[in-house]
Amino acid sequence: GAVVSQHPSWVICKSGTSVKIECRSLDFQATTMFWYRQFPKQSLMLMATSNEGSKATYEQGVEKDKFLINHASLTLSTLTVTSAHPEDSSFYICSARDVQNYGYTFGSGTRLTVV
Amino acid sequence: QQQVKQSPQSLIVQKGGISIINCAYENTAFDYFPWYQQFPGKGPALLIAIRPDVSEKKEGRFTISFNKSAKQFSLHIMDSQPGDSATYFCAASPSSNTGKLIFGQGTTLQVKP
Repeated sequence: GAVVSQHPSWVICKSGTSVKIECRSLDFQATTMFWYRQFPKQSLMLMATSNEGSKATYEQGVEKDKFLINHASLTLSTLTVTSAHPEDSSFYICSARDVQNYGYTFGSGTRLTVV
Repeated sequence: QQQVKQSPQSLIVQKGGISIINCAYENTAFDYFPWYQQFPGKGPALLIAIRPDVSEKKEGRFTISFNKSAKQFSLHIMDSQPGDSATYFCAASPSSNTGKLIFGQGTTLQVKP
């Protein structure tokens, strides 16, 4: 089945630094990838939709200058949290859309802790 | 219009019992309705999904019931096991190539031995 690899699985960074999270579709091409944020005991909140070769579409209230998304190829999307602050600490999850099989496959998530 | 409402928020079931989780949607453009299972610290994993052209789909112990006129769908877990203890999310999306997947609020299921 479709597999999405997300790295790193956890990261601790100092306040003010930037962190990059990678999301790769391993066995299918993903023209569209999605980035979610999840707080403890809450649902997944869609942050942005990433389309290969074009600018990401951000959901209302999501700071595009803080959460930089790049989707340079059909198998890789990256989320960079810039100038991270403790309030950015969260669980970030990517998802890739398998157009042929009409399914959404999720990565295993990245636990970001900003200290 | 974009909301998917899920209930209950939490559920406790005895081993061997039936777990039932319900979802309702408003947007008639939705045509893909998956259920995901999530364990702590992990990403959601697809359990089962349905399209509106069928009223029921069964895969092993998991069944989706779909009521198009009521705009409701539900997940039934038969013979619930302690290993089923997890958070379950319903979701919905339209059929366009860049269609967003909209999630319900989640249900925390605990299956007691």
